[in-house]
Amino acid sequence: QSMLTQPPSVSGAPGQRVTISCTGSSSNIGAGFDVHWYQQLPGTAPKLLIYGNDNRPSGVPDRFSGSKSGTSASLAITGLQADDEADYYCQSYDSSLSGWVFGGGTKVTVL
Amino acid sequence: EVQLLESGGGLVQPGGSLRLSCAASGFTFSSCAMSWVRQAPGKGLEWVSVISGSGDSTHYADFVRGRFTISRDNSKNTLFLQMNSLRAEDTAVYFCAKGPMKVVIMGYYYMDVWGKGTTVTVSS
Repeated sequence: QSMLTQPPSVSGAPGQRVTISCTGSSSNIGAGFDVHWYQQLPGTAPKLLIYGNDNRPSGVPDRFSGSKSGTSASLAITGLQADDEADYYCQSYDSSLSGWVFGGGTKVTVL
Repeated sequence: EVQLLESGGGLVQPGGSLRLSCAASGFTFSSCAMSWVRQAPGKGLEWVSVISGSGDSTHYADFVRGRFTISRDNSKNTLFLQMNSLRAEDTAVYFCAKGPMKVVIMGYYYMDVWGKGTTVTVSS
């Protein structure tokens, strides 16, 4: 049971907007710690998608955006494309564990 | 180009040991904290350990503390993970990943570049 809860799956048609939630608690997201997001395409290593809640690394399309409020964070993907099919993970720090935690991951399917 | 290349994975019996390595290139290795993250078959990502750029600060997940040791050789641009007393539940792909700066700031730290991973299988 992860300290960060994500929906197991979300889906959308090409061109649509989907959002992935990441729900934490007062010991992680709610404590003000940053949330980061990673994309893992099938059979590959994770790739940093969003850092510091809402910042995109160079090369990441602006179709991907992050936000954070209270004890939760969200990743939005607009203009959904076939190659966005992947697993997405949120990550933060947890003070009760004294360590870094990942969400359980969300599989995005493009219909 | 920043590259991370893990090695040292393999099949080991329960209770055995294994030493993973991660060769880094394309950036100033000593200026970046480094982490190990694992992924069990069909499961999600799990943070294992992190070490500061100088090597003087380390942190471990509870499930490996006392069994695994993270270290680095900045003269050889290499990160290590010594794994002892291995259990079946340690079976996973182990990724090394680079942090954005030399120090590890708890509430800020993230992993900006990842290696392709090396597979560890613990089984009799």
